[in-house]
Amino acid sequence: NAGVTQTPKFRVLKTGQSMTLLCAQDMNHEYMYWYRQDPGMGLRLIHYSVGEGTTAKGEVPDGYNVSRLKKQNFLLGLESAAPSQTSVYFCASSYWGQPTDTQYFGPGTRLTVL
Amino acid sequence: ILNVEQSPQSLHVQEGDSTNFTCSFPSSNFYALHWYRWETAKSPEALFVMTLNGDEKKKGRISATLNTKEGYSYLYIKGSQPEDSATYLCAFHTGANNLFFGTGTRLTVIP
Repeated sequence: NAGVTQTPKFRVLKTGQSMTLLCAQDMNHEYMYWYRQDPGMGLRLIHYSVGEGTTAKGEVPDGYNVSRLKKQNFLLGLESAAPSQTSVYFCASSYWGQPTDTQYFGPGTRLTVL
Repeated sequence: ILNVEQSPQSLHVQEGDSTNFTCSFPSSNFYALHWYRWETAKSPEALFVMTLNGDEKKKGRISATLNTKEGYSYLYIKGSQPEDSATYLCAFHTGANNLFFGTGTRLTVIP
C-alpha cells in the first residue's frame, strides 16, 4: 500500500516550457487535491477533483490545468511555466470531501522555473 | 481566502520541556479544524480533526483543544522529545471542499 505517490520528485524548467506532474493513490479515494507550498505561506489549493472525470478550481488555479481520467490518478499541468510557479507541489487525497475527512499527502514535487 | 494564523512561527525547547502553540481561525462558518505534523522531507501526517466547541483530543504526549466561539485551538506537547521536532500545521475547513492551512509552527527539540 503505497498511499499517495508523486512523480517527479524534482524538476527544473525554463520559462515557457510545459510539464505534467502525476499524482497516484491506491486507497480508492474519491477526492484528490493539488496544493502549492511557498515560503511564508500555508499550503494553497490549486485544483481539486471530487471523482473520476471531474475537476474544480481552488484558491490559486491560474496557470494550471488538471485532469482526472482515472480515479487513482490526478494530473497537474503547466502549459507555459513562469518563475512565479517555482514552488513545492503537494498532492493529497481523501475518501470523500467531508470536513472531518483526513487528507493524505504525497511526498511533494519541487519545481524550479528559471 | 480565509486567514488561519499560527503562533509562534518557530520555537526551540529543551528535551523534557512541555510546550504549546496556537492556531487562530475565523469563528464563523466553522466546520472542522485539522492538525497535521510535518517532518522535514516527509509528507504532512494527520494528528487530529476536531469539530465541537470544547473538544479535546489526545495522542500519546500530544493533545489539542478547540474553542470555536472565539476561533482558536491549542496544541500541547508534554515532555518534548527530539523526535517531536517537526512543523505543526493547522487547517480550517469551511464545508466547501477546501481546507485553509496556516503557515505552521516549526518546533525544534534540543537534546
